[in-house]
This record gives sequence, structure tokens and C-alpha cells, in this order.
Amino acid sequence: KNEVEQSPQNLTAQEGEFITINCSYSVGISALHWLQQHPGGGIVSLFMLSSGKKKHGRLIATINIQEKHSSLHITASHPRDSAVYICAVRSKTSGSRLTFGEGTQLTVNP
Amino acid sequence: EAGVVQSPRYKIIEKKQPVAFWCNPISGHNTLYWYRQNLGQGPELLIRYENEEAVDDSQLPKDRFSAERLKGVDSTLKIQPAELGDSAVYLCASSLADNSYNEQFFGPGTRLTVL
Repeated sequence: KNEVEQSPQNLTAQEGEFITINCSYSVGISALHWLQQHPGGGIVSLFMLSSGKKKHGRLIATINIQEKHSSLHITASHPRDSAVYICAVRSKTSGSRLTFGEGTQLTVNP
Repeated sequence: EAGVVQSPRYKIIEKKQPVAFWCNPISGHNTLYWYRQNLGQGPELLIRYENEEAVDDSQLPKDRFSAERLKGVDSTLKIQPAELGDSAVYLCASSLADNSYNEQFFGPGTRLTVL
């Protein structure tokens, strides 16, 4: 079992829909990252959080430390949101190393 | 401010050939990471530098992979000789320092195809 599990693996939505991507992890963490990867490989950091909730534009990230679970929400989705969304955690016991989930491929159709 | 710069963006080589990737981190970032990302998977750490010192290279296949960061700024990652299974995206990232409060900033990656 991977230390970081994401669901769903693939998600197709219509423009305007509310989207949720989930991330569960099995270790104690000091931080969790949500990353966005567009075709071509470049990764952009969306959020880094260790508790509570963060919001940036149409993106919202939440984390429940007790349940070892985080969600990434996209409101009013748009085709330009189509990308791979990756959850990564920094374990308390692995020093600085990030452990990545396998990513969620999101496709938003017009 | 410029982000993490990587070159080349794409590289196609035949197996058994050598290949090198270059990374220029964000100015002032002491920590530099090299990751490998296989198709459909998340990145996996290959090596982490604190300034010019490699402090975590436990995941680097040392029989064919090598890396250096001589002056604590730019870094190169080399594969010699390349194998078919090395086809992947090689990502470089940097952060101010290696602690949980500093975000990692990723470069665009180098997509390697070994034929």
C-alpha cells in the first residue's frame, strides 16, 4: 500500500462543475502539498498546509490531521484547470523527503 | 523573479549513450532536489543537495547515475550509460532551506526518451 493514496485516478467534468480530489496518507506528517502538473511536465505548487484550510482563487485545500486526509476543491471548473493534481506529504520520520501520490488526471470539458 | 530553469526540455537518445541534465535553481535557494517521474506516477527523489553537499542520495542508482553541484548553485545530473527503463521526466526543484516550512519550487522538467 502506498503511503499516499489519491482518488479518483481520473476525473472528467463539465465546465462549471465543482470538483473534489481526495488524498489519504498513512504516516504522521509535518506538511502536505498540493501540486499541479500540466502536459509537458512542469509542476506548480498550489498549496502547502499542515492544518485547517487554505483558499486561493477558485481553489480550496483542506486537511484533517486526525483522519490523515486532505481534499482539493475547484469551484466553477474551467477547461484550463485540466491537468494532473498531485498530493505530496512530508513525513515526520523521513526528514525532508516528499512522498508523492500518483496523481489525479482532471479533464474539464467545455 | 525567474523560476527553476532546466535544460534541455526534451532529449531522445539511444540506449547505452550518456546523457546530462542541467538545473539552475531559484537565486538564494540552498536546497536542490532531483526527482524522476515515470509515466503515470508521482515523482521520486533521486538526490538532495544542501548547498554543494549531497545529503540524501540513497535513491540514486549509483552504478549509472551521478550528480554534482560544485559551487552550490547549478547542478547537473548524468546517466551513463542510459537504459530503456530510464525513460522518464527528470525534475529539478529548489527551496530556501530544507525544512517543512519552505515550499519546493519545481522546474519544467526534462523528458528523456531512451530508444
